[in-house]
Amino acid sequence: DIRMTQSPSSLSASAGDRVTITCQATQDISSYLAWYQQKPGKVPKLLIYAASTLQSGVPSRFSGSGSGTDFTLTITSLQPEDVATYYCQKYNLAPLTFGGGTKVEI
Amino acid sequence: QVQLVESGGGVVQPGGSLRLSCAVSGLTHSTSGMHWVRQAPGKGLEWVAFIRYDGNKKHYADSVKGRFSISRDNSKNIMYLQMNSLTVADTAVYFCAKDGDFVFLPVDWGQGTLVTVSS
Repeated sequence: DIRMTQSPSSLSASAGDRVTITCQATQDISSYLAWYQQKPGKVPKLLIYAASTLQSGVPSRFSGSGSGTDFTLTITSLQPEDVATYYCQKYNLAPLTFGGGTKVEI
Repeated sequence: QVQLVESGGGVVQPGGSLRLSCAVSGLTHSTSGMHWVRQAPGKGLEWVAFIRYDGNKKHYADSVKGRFSISRDNSKNIMYLQMNSLTVADTAVYFCAKDGDFVFLPVDWGQGTLVTVSS
């Protein structure tokens, strides 16, 4: 099965900073990569799919890139409301796999 | 607005069984694949199972294969997860989630139901 590895596992940044999270797949998954945001005590929310397509309603400071095995989630100007754990997920085939998560703090 | 509501969680002893339900309202349920995803306390997300819109295709994580069974009743807009031979490692919040426009891409999520396996 394909494994998804995220890094870093946690980070602390200041408001307004540019934040980058990476996700690596053990096999080529083309662009079948999604990013979810989970705020403390809340349900996961889909941010990005197809590696770089922003889900409706998601602020434009979020962006995604990559294909194949290496992917990136970028927050261009970190806001206090972005404090959350971010997960990548591959969805080309079952089993679906989530990355281990990246906890973002301010 | 799609709404998913899980129920059936609780405390069960190791080796026991539990059936979770996920009621879907707001939009047509029968045209979308659905998932169970779990999250152990303080841990990350773990995909558990998937069922195709018509119920004729199912997939399971290796960690639950042979113990858990996913099903759906489209006439009632409900999805189920039958969990048998539960172990402490199955303790988690169980979320149901519904695909959007793409298969295997959960978009809408329920609030989750807590399953605690403890003696």
